[in-house]
Amino acid sequence: SQQGEEDPQALSIQEGENATMNCSYKTSINNLQWYRQNSGRGLVHLILIRSNEREKHSGRLRVTLDTSKKSSSLLITASRAADTASYFCATATSGSARQLTFGSGTQLTVLP
Amino acid sequence: DAGVIQSPRHEVTEMGQEVTLRCKPISGHDYLFWYRQTMMRGLELLIYFNNNVPIDDSGMPEDRFSAKMPNASFSTLKIQPSEPRDSAVYFCASIAWGNGELFFGEGSRLTVL
Repeated sequence: SQQGEEDPQALSIQEGENATMNCSYKTSINNLQWYRQNSGRGLVHLILIRSNEREKHSGRLRVTLDTSKKSSSLLITASRAADTASYFCATATSGSARQLTFGSGTQLTVLP
Repeated sequence: DAGVIQSPRHEVTEMGQEVTLRCKPISGHDYLFWYRQTMMRGLELLIYFNNNVPIDDSGMPEDRFSAKMPNASFSTLKIQPSEPRDSAVYFCASIAWGNGELFFGEGSRLTVL
């Protein structure tokens, strides 16, 4: 079964707008990661946030983590058409930090 | 570095045939993972290796699936005999000890007719 569930399943926005995707998970984690997948390609790592961190930034990406609610959000600011892709959250549990369980993904479409 | 290399990129075969997917991880990475991606089930972890040793194969769907890692630079995922429900994209990924980031290959798209 999948550990993480993304919300929404699909999101369509205009270029320049911000995009927010949410991820909920079920068990205690060591870290949570976000990946991006362009159509027909492999997944690419975006950012990792550890269980003792609450917020992390990388360029136009901002990730938050609320371990009490078992949820995370990914914010992409000033979106571009090139940001169109599927975005997945992945969790690593405390007992198996190398073994990632992926959510179902959010399909983001950024319209030019 | 060339990244994780998978072959073939596309494979079309008939039910009952043997399929072998190949993966070359990034040099120096000591963990290797095989994932399967379908629309219905998303990304599923099939098996992973540490220092060429299988650690957890609980995700392997059935005995028709087998995976090997004879050395640090090569792994195979074999399906014998293949069935139409095995149609999916199979990803190989590798990671270095102490690092949390998984590096994925471009995947092998398998179609079983």
